[in-house]
Amino acid sequence: SQQGEEDPQALSIQEGENATMNCSYKTSINNLQWYRQNSGRGLVHLILIRSNEREKHSGRLRVTLDTSKKSSSLLITASRAADTASYFCATAPTTSGTYKYIFGTGTRLKVLA
Amino acid sequence: SQTIHQWPATLVQPVGSPLSLECTVEGTSNPNLYWYRQAAGRGLQLLFYSVGIGQISSEVPQNLSASRPQDRQFILSSKKLLLSDSGFYLCAWKTGHSGNTIYFGEGSWLTVV
Repeated sequence: SQQGEEDPQALSIQEGENATMNCSYKTSINNLQWYRQNSGRGLVHLILIRSNEREKHSGRLRVTLDTSKKSSSLLITASRAADTASYFCATAPTTSGTYKYIFGTGTRLKVLA
Repeated sequence: SQTIHQWPATLVQPVGSPLSLECTVEGTSNPNLYWYRQAAGRGLQLLFYSVGIGQISSEVPQNLSASRPQDRQFILSSKKLLLSDSGFYLCAWKTGHSGNTIYFGEGSWLTVV
């Protein structure tokens, strides 16, 4: 079963705009991660936020985590055409230790030049 | 530095034929290893994960199997492929126990005809 569900499923914006995508999950977690996938390629790690953190920044990325709502959001500011990709959240339920990472369904982001 | 190799990159197999996808990791020891499958335009489905040689956890009952004959080698197999086995297969690893970031291979496209 899917631990994470992202929304929206697809997002199309103009270059320079901000892109926000959300992830909801079902069980208690140790951390939540966001990954990026260019079409037909493997996934690349973007950022990790621990369960005791509420917000984290990395360059143009801002991630928030609300453990009470079991949700996270990824904000990409000042988007570029090169940001076009699919974005996934990943979680490991605390019951699985740090072994079993489950990915969400992904948000397909298209940035128009 | 660590690298992950996955092959073959693309294959077309007839229904009922066997399958063997291989994955090796270099530059680390005792990694956690993973096989994921991604249907076209969809999220990632965790198939198998392994925390050590000969230790395989299966997440989805199906006609696929996995083996870990060596510390840094992970093999995905099937005796008889089904049409529904078509998809994009991704091998991944992370540092065992304490690591959080998952590193992905470039994937293998399987089309069953």
